[in-house]
Amino acid sequence: SQQGEEDPQALSIQEGENATMNCSYKTSINNLQWYRQNSGRGLVHLILIRSNEREKHSGRLRVTLDTSKKSSSLLITASRAADTASYFCATVPLTQGGSEKLVFGKGTKLTVNP
Amino acid sequence: DGGITQSPKYLFRKEGQNVTLSCEQNLNHDAMYWYRQDPGQGLRLIYYSQIVNDFQKGDIAEGYSVSREKKESFPLTVTSAQKNPTAFYLCASGHRGAETEAFFGQGTRLTVV
Repeated sequence: SQQGEEDPQALSIQEGENATMNCSYKTSINNLQWYRQNSGRGLVHLILIRSNEREKHSGRLRVTLDTSKKSSSLLITASRAADTASYFCATVPLTQGGSEKLVFGKGTKLTVNP
Repeated sequence: DGGITQSPKYLFRKEGQNVTLSCEQNLNHDAMYWYRQDPGQGLRLIYYSQIVNDFQKGDIAEGYSVSREKKESFPLTVTSAQKNPTAFYLCASGHRGAETEAFFGQGTRLTVV
């Protein structure tokens, strides 16, 4: 079963605007990661936030994590046409067996119009 | 160059045939994963392996089989038992440990004709 659910499913903005995507998940996690996928290609890792962290920055990316609400958000500031892609959150669920499987959501398709 | 390579990029299969997708990595990663992606959908985990000669079923393992005889290689066989195999298949690898990022191949698009 998919652990994460991204919201919205699709987002269209103008270049220069900020883009915010949200992710909700179901079970306790070790960490949450965000990935990007260009159409028809593999995924690329963007950022990882641990369960004891609340906010993390990397360049134009800002990720927040609220473990009490089981949710995360990804903010891309000053978006560019090259940011057009699908964005996925992925979680590593906490399990007794210590499984390290990475579980993905359905993604948000972002379109940045020039 | 270090990386993870999937081949072929496009694959066509006749109904009733088994087909094997290749995934090779030279990143010295212990963990490897196979995901299936359908149009407009997220990634669903088929199988994963955290060490050579060991692998676990993911959420949609029925109709698929894998082997992990070498650290570098994690081939996926789509068997005739898989009722709807047309999809985009992604292989990934990473270091052991929960706080590791996954590195993805470029995917294989399988079509049943």
